[in-house]
Amino acid sequence: VQLVESGGGLVNPGGSLRLSCAVSGFTFSNYVMTWVRQAPGKGMEWVSSISGSSTYISYADSLKGRCTISRDNAKNSLYLQMNSLRAEDAAVYYCARLIGGGFSQYYFDFWGQGTLVTVSS
Amino acid sequence: QSVLTQPPSVSGAPGQRVTISCTGSSSNIGAGNDVHWYQHLPGTAPKLLIYGDTNRPSGVPDRFSASKSDTSASLAITGLQAEDEADYFCQSYDTTLTALVFGGGTKLTVL
Repeated sequence: VQLVESGGGLVNPGGSLRLSCAVSGFTFSNYVMTWVRQAPGKGMEWVSSISGSSTYISYADSLKGRCTISRDNAKNSLYLQMNSLRAEDAAVYYCARLIGGGFSQYYFDFWGQGTLVTVSS
Repeated sequence: QSVLTQPPSVSGAPGQRVTISCTGSSSNIGAGNDVHWYQHLPGTAPKLLIYGDTNRPSGVPDRFSASKSDTSASLAITGLQAEDEADYFCQSYDTTLTALVFGGGTKLTVL
């Protein structure tokens, strides 16, 4: 199983960025996928999740309305489009595979190495 | 401020036992939601250590164990090794926030 993020970089406040996560080693369409971020010196923060068929999507309040999660099962890829970026959005963004029997049991069994997003003028 | 509270750091000598606490509330750990633990070396992919409160994935040494009680959980590492030096964080689900939540992470130093 491999998850490889890309698309991070330096962006001006108010700018946009599209993160990608290329996946291999498992049947991508069978799994809920998630973006998690870690700001410098802070703990992990759940950002957004998307079900295998894209039917169910959820966002953390901190990014709701400013980001869109999507996936392309034919390309085994997960995406996060982020708009109106703020200084507080600066973080390492990880994609991770979510597994479990329901909300109360969900956990991440595989993670990528992350991609760094810097928001600064 | 993370929803789950962990000590910023712990340390121990090789061979010793250390524990890392993860304190939540009645809307996450206390609600009966599972607690999971991860090991993270900065710059690398976090690794699942414990899932479902107490279960180890295959390949994780039995030196790692975990427990849960009321609104808290704890990760124990016995027979400390230099390679255990890393950040450790807990994760659960918060029923009130309807969100997956994390601890702030604990840096383990092997003296």
